[in-house]
Amino acid sequence: DAMVIQNPRYQVTQFGKPVTLSCSQTLNHNVMYWYQQKSSQAPKLLFHYYDKDFNNEADTPDNFQSRRPNTSFCFLDIRSPGLGDAAMYLCATSRGDIGLTDTQYFGPGTRLTVL
Amino acid sequence: QKEVEQNSGPLSVPEGAIASLNCTYSDRGSQSFFWYRQYSGKSPELIMSIYSNGDKEDGRFTAQLNKASQYVSLLIRDSQPSDSATYLCAVKRDNYGQNFVFGPGTRLSVLP
Repeated sequence: DAMVIQNPRYQVTQFGKPVTLSCSQTLNHNVMYWYQQKSSQAPKLLFHYYDKDFNNEADTPDNFQSRRPNTSFCFLDIRSPGLGDAAMYLCATSRGDIGLTDTQYFGPGTRLTVL
Repeated sequence: QKEVEQNSGPLSVPEGAIASLNCTYSDRGSQSFFWYRQYSGKSPELIMSIYSNGDKEDGRFTAQLNKASQYVSLLIRDSQPSDSATYLCAVKRDNYGQNFVFGPGTRLSVLP
């Protein structure tokens, strides 16, 4: 089945130790998104790629970076995780057209714990 | 005013009742509307999408859209305890092919 895959599902890191989260998709979608979601809050968009074009949200901290080496893969790098970065990180994809039926599909998420 | 607003809940309904979840949006240019269900600790799962004014039914779920009032709702008939989750309303602004905006979500609790 076509899908969005995230690895690992659970990640534990130490304060200040860099961490990389991975997302891959078999939907061949143009757009890949990274969201941060904390408990009882809505997903917060960090940034997205339309193909190779990177779009950063204005309030995304510099501590968060992303790479998209090809259509299928996208990575979230947290350079120096703080305790406040503990959250669920969600990857999503969409076709990226202006058609009515374009829809976002989410991966299962990575739960990040910072010790 | 936030772009997409929902009652935060929790909304509690007895098993077998109709649960009604509401969402309003501020951008009149919005064209596509989505309801996601999110169980605790899991990622959002798409359950309904709607693009035209009126009702759209899928099993026990009915989405209703009123663009004049900038209002979209989700009805869940014969609610089951397994429907207990947070329901996220999302809006796609069609002028921006990549831009989906989420509401804060409504937590639904279906009581056995």
